Amino acid sequence: QSVLTQPPSVSGAPGQRVTISCTGSSSNIGAGYDIHWYQQLPGTAPKLLIYGNSNRPSGVPDRFSGSKSGTSVSLAITGLQAEDEADYYCQSYDNSLSWVFGGGTKLTVL
Amino acid sequence: QVQLQQSGPGLVKPSQTLSLTCAISGDSVSSNSAAWNWIRQSPSRGLEWLGRTYRRSKWYNDYAVSVKSRITINPDTSKNQFSLQLKSVTPEDTAVYYCARVYDYGDYIYFDYWGQGTLVTVSS
Repeated sequence: QSVLTQPPSVSGAPGQRVTISCTGSSSNIGAGYDIHWYQQLPGTAPKLLIYGNSNRPSGVPDRFSGSKSGTSVSLAITGLQAEDEADYYCQSYDNSLSWVFGGGTKLTVL
Repeated sequence: QVQLQQSGPGLVKPSQTLSLTCAISGDSVSSNSAAWNWIRQSPSRGLEWLGRTYRRSKWYNDYAVSVKSRITINPDTSKNQFSLQLKSVTPEDTAVYYCARVYDYGDYIYFDYWGQGTLVTVSS
């Protein structure tokens, strides 16, 4: 059971927009800790996609965006492409003095 | 460019000790801005942070409560690497194990580099 909760799966057709939510508690997201997002392609390690709630590392397309408002956190992907099909994970810090992850969301491009 | 190269056995017998090493290039295990972590991933537990080692004025270790009694993470400054030891393993410890760097960029702290992952199976 992951500390952060994500929907197990989302899907969309090429060109569409999808969002992935990430819900935590008062000891992590609610405590004001930043959220980071990772993309994991099959058979590879997670790769940083969004850091500090809404910032993109260099090389990440601007089709990917993150937002945080209070305890509501989400990742949005616009203009879906086949190459976006992957697992997406949110990550934060917790007052239990540990890094915590979401359970992951599998994105299927129809 | 930072690279993390993992090594270690992919099969461990129950009750024995799981040992993995992560060799660092492009950074130093003694960096005052980084922490060196082990994370595992399994279908049942998802991504689970296990622990970290880092140096500020001295060396520190932090471990996840779930494995605290069984885990040791050690830096090796002579080889610029760090290691994971997990004692008394059971089949529930079967997972892909990753090493990863957390870097303090000032405003944000996040995992920016990961090792390639090692599938460790606990089985007799």
